Amino acid sequence: QVQLVQSGAEVKKPGASVKVSCKVSGYTLTELSMHWVRQAPGKGLEWMGGFDPEDGETIYAQKFQGRVTMTEDTSTDTAYMELSSLRSEDTAVYYCANTFENAFDIWGQGTMVTVSS
Amino acid sequence: QSVLTQPPSASGTPGQRVTISCSGSSSNIGSNTVNWYQQLPGTAPKLLIYSNNQRPSGVPDRFSGSKSGTSASLAISGLQSEDEADYYCAAWDDSLNGPGVVFGGGTKLTVL
Repeated sequence: QVQLVQSGAEVKKPGASVKVSCKVSGYTLTELSMHWVRQAPGKGLEWMGGFDPEDGETIYAQKFQGRVTMTEDTSTDTAYMELSSLRSEDTAVYYCANTFENAFDIWGQGTMVTVSS
Repeated sequence: QSVLTQPPSASGTPGQRVTISCSGSSSNIGSNTVNWYQQLPGTAPKLLIYSNNQRPSGVPDRFSGSKSGTSASLAISGLQSEDEADYYCAAWDDSLNGPGVVFGGGTKLTVL
């Protein structure tokens, strides 16, 4: 059974960067297609980007292009999402999620990122 | 403003049947499959319906999905108190800005 375990909560100052990790167990990362979704407090879900297995590339939502980088370390089966130039509006819970049949079938527990001066 | 449109709230009494709508456009629901997620308070979303009407293993058959044109619906029959949660629809969008996943704004379901 696939499990995704994310890193702990982070508090960052405006302008800083944050890197959230997502450790895979039960499968290897190469067998999965990882995406990232965020949710601001009291708000809905927002897709940030993820791995497209059809062309082997990572695709990003236009809103985050230039500010987000998604990487994978297959030696440790860990996926990473780094978001730079943080602002208060980036305060949110960040989730990693695996795709299956174009849906997110397995989710991490979420990582709270707070941006505050 | 979400790309997919859902009613912000819905309600029903135990045992009742409730439906939640999701409206999109030709670039998302009109040309791709729809998925539904359930999010209980303080927890990560859970996949409820994929490919318009398929239930993952473990999801009760009280939950069903349908799609027609650029709209989709989630139906919950035999409503139970534990169904009180937020529900989100989602679909891939083939926009000019590049493909991506779009979500509805979410519907808060209250079991009266």
